[in-house]
Amino acid sequence: DAKTTQPNSMESNEEEPVHLPCNHSTISGTDYIHWYRQLPSQGPEYVIHGLTSNVNNRMASLAIAEDRKSSTLILHRATLRDAAVYYCIGSQGNLIFGKGTKLSVKP
Amino acid sequence: DAGVTQSPTHLIKTRGQQVTLRCSPKSGHDTVSWYQQALGQGPQFIFQYYEEEERQRGNFPDRFSGHQFPNYSSELNVNALLLGDSALYLCASSLVNWQGTEAFFGQGTRLTVV
Repeated sequence: DAKTTQPNSMESNEEEPVHLPCNHSTISGTDYIHWYRQLPSQGPEYVIHGLTSNVNNRMASLAIAEDRKSSTLILHRATLRDAAVYYCIGSQGNLIFGKGTKLSVKP
Repeated sequence: DAGVTQSPTHLIKTRGQQVTLRCSPKSGHDTVSWYQQALGQGPQFIFQYYEEEERQRGNFPDRFSGHQFPNYSSELNVNALLLGDSALYLCASSLVNWQGTEAFFGQGTRLTVV
């Protein structure tokens, strides 16, 4: 499993895009990049995952660097409900969580 | 579909006691993983069960044990409770070859050891 590095916290304004970075320089070729988020008092929630190509779903977009050593989770229009801790995980097996990035969204 | 359900939601135990936490996975999922989350920290992987056997284990002492039943539900047992075992215990369910799919988490069991 890859070691990931994320900023401890980030702030965003409501309805603006948010780019959450993650470094995973030790990622292997078969490790997927997963993003989960955890809202207060809840269990983690799946956001998105990918291997090499950029990915889009209804929640977010995942941009993966060509060398796969970093990725960026993009929330296109942040809402107050997006305030959470976001975890980036590089894994081909179990989900190994780091400390994540605490995202605050200001109205 | 009820998703992943955990019980109980909260409980208080005394140091030295034993506790059993329960998890029912999402319908169709065959793999259950358990995590411990201390306040302000990310979830820490305890172990994973598939086909009623422990597949992988994190850095937790033998006081932490588990079981998976034929219906894929699972239990986490913790013996000789310590104050430091106070945490949110999360259960996640997935498919055994899950990399192409997502894992689903329950709301957790809040364990307080006094």
